[in-house]
Amino acid sequence: AQSVSQHNHHVILSEAASLELGCNYSYGGTVNLFWYVQYPGQHLQLLLKYFSGDPLVKGIKGFEAEFIKSKFSFNLRKPSVQWSDTAEYFCAVIQKTNAGKSTFGDGTTLTVKP
Amino acid sequence: DTGVSQNPRHKITKRGQNVTFRCDPISEHNRLYWYRQTLGQGPEFLTYFQNEAQLEKSRLLSDRFSAERPKGSFSTLEIQRTEQGDSAMYLCASNPYGTGEGNEQYFGPGTRLTVT
Repeated sequence: AQSVSQHNHHVILSEAASLELGCNYSYGGTVNLFWYVQYPGQHLQLLLKYFSGDPLVKGIKGFEAEFIKSKFSFNLRKPSVQWSDTAEYFCAVIQKTNAGKSTFGDGTTLTVKP
Repeated sequence: DTGVSQNPRHKITKRGQNVTFRCDPISEHNRLYWYRQTLGQGPEFLTYFQNEAQLEKSRLLSDRFSAERPKGSFSTLEIQRTEQGDSAMYLCASNPYGTGEGNEQYFGPGTRLTVT
């Protein structure tokens, strides 16, 4: 069965620090990859996505992620975090052969101290 | 507001009662998805529809759960004989699958169910 692993459950950073959140998935076929973010009191929203092409994808608010197929990874990065980035971040995978079902990781809570 | 809407936002019920949740997707989105999320976990897939057809159900969806999308627009999720383990956030999402806009899903605010 497909699974998604997010290694960091809770990350605490100071403003201007660099961020990297890990995401690994288990599925050998072709996948679409996503990072969603949930700000306090708000619903899940898309941060960025990878479908094909350049494995380095850029999303909103200065976030980017790199798909490394050989490592089954899709890590999220931001060079300099802001207090407003405090949120929960979820990595998700969809198999291209079954595009109806998303598998989510358990999320990483990011707290940015001002 | 043209986003996904869910009602009610909160529901408290006693064990053994039936509950029904409603999801209104973004207009003209042909796919609609239901997820369940418990504290400390990511959303878990329950089921999804393409138009009015229910295409897949997770094994998490016991026979006490039923979902419908009768006219291919809004959907309902019913839980019969609720149990305390059903307490969770129930999320709905939709997308315009097959239109070339990709597979990202647009989520609603969720319905938080508490079974006492």
